[in-house]
Amino acid sequence: DVKVTQSSRYLVKRTGEKVFLECVQDMDHENMFWYRQDPGLGLRLIYFSYDVKMKEKGDIPEGYSVSREKKERFSLILESASTNQTSMYLCASGTLALNTGELFFGEGSRLTVL
Amino acid sequence: DAKTTQPNSMESNEEEPVHLPCNHSTISGTDYIHWYRQLPSQGPEYVIHGLTSNVNNRMASLAIAEDRKSSTLILHRATLRDAAVYYCILRDPFISNFGNEKLTFGTGTRLTIIP
Repeated sequence: DVKVTQSSRYLVKRTGEKVFLECVQDMDHENMFWYRQDPGLGLRLIYFSYDVKMKEKGDIPEGYSVSREKKERFSLILESASTNQTSMYLCASGTLALNTGELFFGEGSRLTVL
Repeated sequence: DAKTTQPNSMESNEEEPVHLPCNHSTISGTDYIHWYRQLPSQGPEYVIHGLTSNVNNRMASLAIAEDRKSSTLILHRATLRDAAVYYCILRDPFISNFGNEKLTFGTGTRLTIIP
């Protein structure tokens, strides 16, 4: 089975802390995505990557950065966490040949910033 | 990027068919229509996709209007396990092959199944 694994299901951090959210996929997918999900706002794209060391901004990149040093791993970084970054974070991966186009999501990481 | 519009919520009785609509009036000729659903406390999962013709799989059917400006996801016999948020999105494989596909999901339709 294809698997997208997010390192932590639940995290609690303090304001100003640096936070790393890790995502690993085991299907050799080129594309990887980070979303955040908030009530009433749906899934919003933070960053995406289509190759190692490549990254593109999504709709809400402010306050976040990403790292893709290896094809299977895509990390989301909050340099200085703030309370408004309390949210559910979802990672997804998929292939480039996308007329079949299935994306695979992780189970999510619920981050609380106090 | 072409956008989709879905109702915020819908209700259906258990064991009855459900028709979930999606409007995409600015769809381009190369956009595929994809549906995902998100069960409670899980990440979204793929349901079905299509380009022009109606499509069926074990989970659902996808009916695409002739002008492609709207589509309908059909659950033939809803069960309580189908209660989820359903997302309709458009994907252009030519854009994705160049690596600059910016996938936007929106808020979807929250489907409630009444026992």
